[in-house]
Amino acid sequence: TQLLEQSPQFLSIQEGENLTVYCNSSSVFSSLQWYRQEPGEGPVLLVTVVTGGEVKKLKRLTFQFGDARKDSSLHITAAQPGDTGLYLCAGISGSARQLTFGSGTQLTVLP
Amino acid sequence: DAGVIQSPRHEVTEMGQEVTLRCKPISGHDYLFWYRQTMMRGLELLIYFNNNVPIDDSGMPEDRFSAKMPNASFSTLKIQPSEPRDSAVYFCASSLGELVLQETQYFGPGTRLLVL
Repeated sequence: TQLLEQSPQFLSIQEGENLTVYCNSSSVFSSLQWYRQEPGEGPVLLVTVVTGGEVKKLKRLTFQFGDARKDSSLHITAAQPGDTGLYLCAGISGSARQLTFGSGTQLTVLP
Repeated sequence: DAGVIQSPRHEVTEMGQEVTLRCKPISGHDYLFWYRQTMMRGLELLIYFNNNVPIDDSGMPEDRFSAKMPNASFSTLKIQPSEPRDSAVYFCASSLGELVLQETQYFGPGTRLLVL
């Protein structure tokens, strides 16, 4: 079983602060995705990273895939209350045609 | 497109009762996935279909769970008999193609199930 561990599990910060969420595994993934889930809704895809060392930016969000394709990070600059939600990483391995989800990071941005 | 549609959105039932969850994938998507989300175990894949055929059901917890996809626009997940430990949010998702590299999976809003 391929496990994806996310840290921190919970994060509460003030509006305007920066934060980083980590997603780690002992397994190699062919690609890794980040999702955001809001209460009462399903996860929504934010980004997919494919190449080791790849960095993608989505407005104030920066995603990085580790060189060895075993880990990833999500950095949010100047967090806003609208960033509040559950952030999930999910990996796709070369053989399994399915997503393995991380444990999630519940982010709360206080105004 | 309306996205992935699930019904009911909420279900409260008593232990021992049969529960049927329904899903309509996005039109034209060949893959359909059923997930379960709990605080303890996070988001877990139960089963997925390709062109209405079950491909991997290794995540189905036990024989009380069954899933069908009679046609390309409809799938059901049935729990019979239901138990309190089945209480969770059940998501259906669909994708256009196989989950490799950059394929996108679209999730429905989920069915929140409470078994008393």
